[in-house]
Amino acid sequence: GNSVTQMEGPVTLSEEAFLTINCTYTATGYPSLFWYVQYPGEGLQLLLKATKADDKGSNKGFEATYRKETTSFHLEKGSVQVSDSAVYFCALDNTNAGKSTFGDGTTLTVKP
Amino acid sequence: DTGVSQNPRHKITKRGQNVTFRCDPISEHNRLYWYRQTLGQGPEFLTYFQNEAQLEKSRLLSDRFSAERPKGSFSTLEIQRTEQGDSAMYLCASSPGGRVYEQYFGPGTRLTVT
Repeated sequence: GNSVTQMEGPVTLSEEAFLTINCTYTATGYPSLFWYVQYPGEGLQLLLKATKADDKGSNKGFEATYRKETTSFHLEKGSVQVSDSAVYFCALDNTNAGKSTFGDGTTLTVKP
Repeated sequence: DTGVSQNPRHKITKRGQNVTFRCDPISEHNRLYWYRQTLGQGPEFLTYFQNEAQLEKSRLLSDRFSAERPKGSFSTLEIQRTEQGDSAMYLCASSPGGRVYEQYFGPGTRLTVT
């Protein structure tokens, strides 16, 4: 079956530090890959996506590249802000029906 | 467009009672999804609808769970004879036709079974 493994948290960084949150997956076929973000007290929001190998998803300064050879989709940001503090979820969908399989989330705290 | 709304936001019930949650998707979104999220874990898919048709149910959805989406608008998720293991956050999401990957999530309903 499908599975998503995320880097364990929590992750604490200082403002303007470089961020990497690792995500690897197991799935049959050619899944689409996603990163969602959940800010405190809010619902999940789609942050970025990539639908085929070597695609790079990007949004709000965050990037992730679909690496089929390593089955990975690591999230990166060059300079984090306090406002980036949230829980980040990696997810995949190989059903073309929107039924996503999620990782367990990584909590990021950015300190000023 | 006010986003996906869910009611109630919190529900505390005693074991054995029935509960019903409501989800109002973004208007004109024809797909609606239910997920369950327990503490420290990511959401797990439960079921989804295209318009009023329920297209798939996860094995996680026991016979005590039932979901409906009459007229293809709002949806309800009912849990009968609740158990302590049902305590979780229940999330609803909707997506527009043709863009199933653009899922918009509601804030969730937190269920506590005592």
